[in-house]
Amino acid sequence: GAVVSQHPSRVICKSGTSVKIECRSLDFQATTMFWYRQFPKQSLMLMATSNEGSKATYEQGVEKDKFLINHASLTLSTLTVTSAHPEDSSFYICSASPEFYWGETQYFGPGTRLLVL
Amino acid sequence: AQTVTQSQPEMSVQEAETVTLSCTYDTSESDYYLFWYKQPPSRQMILVIRQEAYKQQNATENRFSVNFQKAAKSFSLKISDSQLGDAAMYFCAYSRPQGGSEKLVFGKGTKLTVNP
Repeated sequence: GAVVSQHPSRVICKSGTSVKIECRSLDFQATTMFWYRQFPKQSLMLMATSNEGSKATYEQGVEKDKFLINHASLTLSTLTVTSAHPEDSSFYICSASPEFYWGETQYFGPGTRLLVL
Repeated sequence: AQTVTQSQPEMSVQEAETVTLSCTYDTSESDYYLFWYKQPPSRQMILVIRQEAYKQQNATENRFSVNFQKAAKSFSLKISDSQLGDAAMYFCAYSRPQGGSEKLVFGKGTKLTVNP
């Protein structure tokens, strides 16, 4: 149980285009999902907290107009990188914890590798 | 603000031997959760072990065990009988109890190499 999927697993796009990444909890509902960015050989950097039915909460320094987050349902959150540039190339990971689960374990998606040319 | 520190950027161990990865954290909370996550080359984050702060007993999961020292704010991971598949980045993480809505605070990670 507690499986999180991400789609696509990798994407290559041209500079200036927008890219949407989906994060789905397959066997549980999640009021809250989290989006991370990870550079090579570094730790995960939290970008934003995605809340179902309300606006996302962004970490300091993350451009909310650049990284649009929509938590459409209790099983789906999307991250859209708008007008992508080469510096947005990175590995993006989402995570979620089952709703009302007080064990606080986060389950992670397999990640999406974005390359902007 | 809570912080998590992993002081060993890299560690190595011989296959079948035991290795301990260190983690310290800073918090003023009395109730919280600590985790060790593994990230193999596939980059999929996998939960290794979890510890509730209110439990004095150290968590164990097969070959993986922790040494949780609450007063010292230390949370080390011991891997016994190391296997080649244990080679990965290991991240220590902290969370406050918030019903799944609280973010994880990660350390910078320790890269574990297992030598045959």
